[in-house]
Amino acid sequence: DTAVSQTPKYLVTQMGNDKSIKCEQNLGHDTMYWYKQDSKKFLKIMFSYNNKELIINETVPNRFSPKSPDKAHLNLHINSLELGDSAVYFCASSQGTAPFYNEQFFGPGTRLTVL
Amino acid sequence: LAKTTQPISMDSYEGQEVNITCSHNNIATNDYITWYQQFPSQGPRFIIQGYKTKVTNEVASLFIPADRKSSTLSLPRVSLSDTAVYYCLVGDSSDTGNQFYFGTGTSLTVIP
Repeated sequence: DTAVSQTPKYLVTQMGNDKSIKCEQNLGHDTMYWYKQDSKKFLKIMFSYNNKELIINETVPNRFSPKSPDKAHLNLHINSLELGDSAVYFCASSQGTAPFYNEQFFGPGTRLTVL
Repeated sequence: LAKTTQPISMDSYEGQEVNITCSHNNIATNDYITWYQQFPSQGPRFIIQGYKTKVTNEVASLFIPADRKSSTLSLPRVSLSDTAVYYCLVGDSSDTGNQFYFGTGTSLTVIP
């Protein structure tokens, strides 16, 4: 069974569109994350979220918003897509409610291409 | 903002020990140092975590000096399958509070 899954695996869209990437974890973890990895392989933390707290990296544009319908899901919504949003987006999860302190389990990634 | 920095790339022959260092001058007092491995087209995978001194598990060792401003991931007797990008993850103290950063990543190539 896949521990952390993301859909879609590939997403190609036009500038200005709004899109969502879904993430689900079946590990029973309390904290989930979204990361952006650019073409130079830099991994940037975007959000960490548990049922009590959303921590936002202050450099993330407000066009990006995480939505969590329940503990097992953290979806990423992106409005008004721009060329610079093209990247691979990773979802991850970890035990406990203290972000980054415990081992994170990553999904396979979603490659977003904005044309 | 203080950054975590790592060498961009390293080459090693099979069977040798590889040491990858991460610099994190502004590491937060209570934060752990964690290392991840990433293969192409996959998400990162946890390798090891430590707070100070030395930690060892079945795949790697982590050396952390007393000032904790750097850490060294040690991979014993690497094989071709260890070719990957290695990242450190640390918390960073600043006037605006703690932020967490992945290092710039070190691309390790193991040569036959």
